Amino acid sequence: DAKTTQPPSMDCAEGRAANLPCNHSTISGNEYVYWYRQIHSQGPQYIIHGLKNNETNEMASLIITEDRKSSTLILPHATLRDTAVYYCIVRPTSNSGYALNFGKGTSLLVTP
Amino acid sequence: GAVVSQHPSRVICKSGTSVKIECRSLDFQATTMFWYRQFPKKSLMLMATSNEGSKATYEQGVEKDKFLINHASLTLSTLTVTSAHPEDSSFYICSASGGLGDEQFFGPGTRLTVL
Repeated sequence: DAKTTQPPSMDCAEGRAANLPCNHSTISGNEYVYWYRQIHSQGPQYIIHGLKNNETNEMASLIITEDRKSSTLILPHATLRDTAVYYCIVRPTSNSGYALNFGKGTSLLVTP
Repeated sequence: GAVVSQHPSRVICKSGTSVKIECRSLDFQATTMFWYRQFPKKSLMLMATSNEGSKATYEQGVEKDKFLINHASLTLSTLTVTSAHPEDSSFYICSASGGLGDEQFFGPGTRLTVL
């Protein structure tokens, strides 16, 4: 699987948009970009995934560059409960047998 | 999203004893389940992949005789830590897939402390 690079930590003020970058310059054509987050002492939570088009759901938006070498997860109005470690992961899809390769992620701290 | 449960959520045991952790997919059939381990301030590390009805595939460095995995049905996988030692103390997390699309859904984790 392609490797990803994320900043180790970020801060964001409550109510503002949190923009979390991810570099995946070696991504292959059949690999999707997945985002998960893990709140302290809980299991990871799926957020969103995409291939090449931008995606939006009730939790976040995912912006993928045209060359697919990087992406940004956007939390439009961050709340204190969004404080968590965010993981950007690339993996082939259409095969539920693939495990997720968690890197170090970005620790997001949302402040009042 | 789909729901995955784990039981127990927290367990404390004496060194040398065995501990069984259950992982259940509550509202979908999980053809594949994964077991991860997470040490404090570290990321999740995959231990093994199990498919229903077949033997689990273990990652390099994970002892299959120490971490017994059984995936007997499409909704249940168990991880048994045999002859537990203090260094086995960790946060064990399972995930399941095979339900909605290709997403993996994670359980809430089990905190194991071996005294």
